[in-house]
Amino acid sequence: AQKITQTQPGMFVQEKEAVTLDCTYDTSDPSYGLFWYKQPSSGEMIFLIYQGSYDQQNATEGRYSLNFQKARKSANLVISASQLGDSAMYFCAMRGGDMIYNQGGKLIFGQGTELSVKP
Amino acid sequence: DAGVTQSPTHLIKTRGQQVTLRCSPKSGHDTVSWYQQALGQGPQFIFQYYEEEERQRGNFPDRFSGHQFPNYSSELNVNALLLGDSALYLCASSWSGGYTFGSGTRLTVV
Repeated sequence: AQKITQTQPGMFVQEKEAVTLDCTYDTSDPSYGLFWYKQPSSGEMIFLIYQGSYDQQNATEGRYSLNFQKARKSANLVISASQLGDSAMYFCAMRGGDMIYNQGGKLIFGQGTELSVKP
Repeated sequence: DAGVTQSPTHLIKTRGQQVTLRCSPKSGHDTVSWYQQALGQGPQFIFQYYEEEERQRGNFPDRFSGHQFPNYSSELNVNALLLGDSALYLCASSWSGGYTFGSGTRLTVV
């Protein structure tokens, strides 16, 4: 069965510093996709970054990068130069099947990490 | 370009009642999924609709049902509401480019 584990219920970071949010996953599918979402108090899930299981390079999107270690089954999110607006819940999620070939199966989410950015 | 629209934003129902939640997908998206997010938890997959048919279903009882219309919009129906159904219900639309989520409907069952 597919599973996502986020072991950090809460994290604090100083403004302008970098922070790493941990995510490990478990799947027997050879092809899968990994996502990170940000959920502010408004409730909307905001897509941050995606990593396909066959991607050779770690994904980057602006201040967000994904540290993908396939052998360890980890997909940690790195946020550089934290901003006050980064304070929110962060969820790691997985879908079986790479995005390129799959229109959209179900997403399996972790429990989330609440990030607080201090001024 | 409008994203995913969900209605209503908040809802209070009495135990045993029935509720219908609505979702309009992002323009160009033809697949709609529903998720239940209890307080302090990650979202749990309820089901997914594509071409007006339920394609995948999570571990939810038959009290949870849905529908997709020809314009790709979708409804989530929950019958015989329980206190434990209180949650944020998220709709996500998708196409080959990934998923877009709405802001959700916060359902409170009293």
